[in-house]
Amino acid sequence: SAVISQKPSRDICQRGTSLTIQCQVDSQVTMMFWYRQQPGQSLTLIATANQGSEATYESGFVIDKFPISRPNLTFSTLTVSNMSPEDSSIYLCSVDPGTGVYEQYFGPGTRLTVT
Amino acid sequence: AQSVTQLGSHVSVSEGALVLLRCNYSSSVPPYLFWYVQYPNQGLQLLLKYTSAATLVKGINGFEAEFKKSETSFHLTKPSAHMSDAAEYFCAVSEGSNNLFFGTGTRLTVIP
Repeated sequence: SAVISQKPSRDICQRGTSLTIQCQVDSQVTMMFWYRQQPGQSLTLIATANQGSEATYESGFVIDKFPISRPNLTFSTLTVSNMSPEDSSIYLCSVDPGTGVYEQYFGPGTRLTVT
Repeated sequence: AQSVTQLGSHVSVSEGALVLLRCNYSSSVPPYLFWYVQYPNQGLQLLLKYTSAATLVKGINGFEAEFKKSETSFHLTKPSAHMSDAAEYFCAVSEGSNNLFFGTGTRLTVIP
């Protein structure tokens, strides 16, 4: 299975600022994903990030608010822009290891608190 | 449309007792089904997956799950709970794409 790391592990930010979260994988993967887990809730897919193409955003998420970069097959970033307290969540990246059965492996998450 | 229902947001069991976490799904096509575990302040770890092979799937840490098409269920079980099993458990379904739909989770408490 892939080993995934995220930076930062947690942060406290002021409203109106932006935070960029990094996701690093120890092997090359085609598909990476970004999820949001709001307090006490389940995971919601924000977007799918494939190397060499624009990220695909799910309903309710827009590129201006959550710009994503995918410069190579082992790295991606998610930026949370113009933050408000409602953005306080855990943000997780995941990867499809390419086994063909749609399983995903997750990073440890970034716990974001917006004050 | 695919969806997942996890009955019981909180489940408590005594150490050594049977663990049963319920998951029902809806899917218009044969599904791929997953159970993930999330320990406090950590990401999600894949426990096991159903991919249309054997209906009884064995995973890590002694967990297993049985796919029952007639009941549209994929319940997670473990014969004997251990204190280290205390965590949040998520069931997820895919209809053959990378868009995983997650249930709302079940928090398992193990009582010594």
